Amino acid sequence: AQSVTQLDSQVPVFEEAPVELRCNYSSSVSVYLFWYVQYPNQGLQLLLKYLSGSTLVKGINGFEAEFNKSQTSFHLRKPSVHISDTAEYFCAVSDLGANTPLVFGKGTRLSVIA
Amino acid sequence: GAVVSQHPSWVICKSGTSVKIECRSLDFQATTMFWYRQFPKQSLMLMATSNEGSKATYEQGVEKDKFLINHASLTLSTLTVTSAHPEDSSFYICSARGEWGGTSGRSGYEQYFGPGTRLTVT
Repeated sequence: AQSVTQLDSQVPVFEEAPVELRCNYSSSVSVYLFWYVQYPNQGLQLLLKYLSGSTLVKGINGFEAEFNKSQTSFHLRKPSVHISDTAEYFCAVSDLGANTPLVFGKGTRLSVIA
Repeated sequence: GAVVSQHPSWVICKSGTSVKIECRSLDFQATTMFWYRQFPKQSLMLMATSNEGSKATYEQGVEKDKFLINHASLTLSTLTVTSAHPEDSSFYICSARGEWGGTSGRSGYEQYFGPGTRLTVT
């Protein structure tokens, strides 16, 4: 079964600074990878996804992530964060099967400091 | 993009009563739906996988008699929390699996999430 490790439970960063949220997954032949953001008392919003093709994936709100198969990683980055980026971020992985659910990491709390 | 709705968005009920949560795929057919629960400041934990027209598959530790799941059509799945207790208070999120076709020749499935239902049992 797939598993996801988000190495940092909390990441504080100053406004306009760059940020990287780390995600590693257990190895498999083919996987789909996702990053979601969750604001307080809200559902999940898809930031970006890797399904196939280019390993550098660009998402919404200026976020991007790079799929690294050799390191089984899918780290999320943003060159300059805003206060509004303060939220919980979840990395998720799925196998190719139709009935296979997403497996989520424990989440990383990003706190942007003014 | 694909839209999944949940109703209600929040509900407060008394201990011992039952609550039904609906999950609908609005513009696509979902043969598979998933139910997750999320406790405060924690990640999403899969409760069950629901396939249209068949019984749901529950994850280990999830009581199937307490969390009744019905997937009667390709656009609707319901979760009923029976005899709710305060420890059932949580954020319940459903997702529906839709198919995508990739240009690389691969095809696969992507999950679309509902906005969640906040259940508070008093």
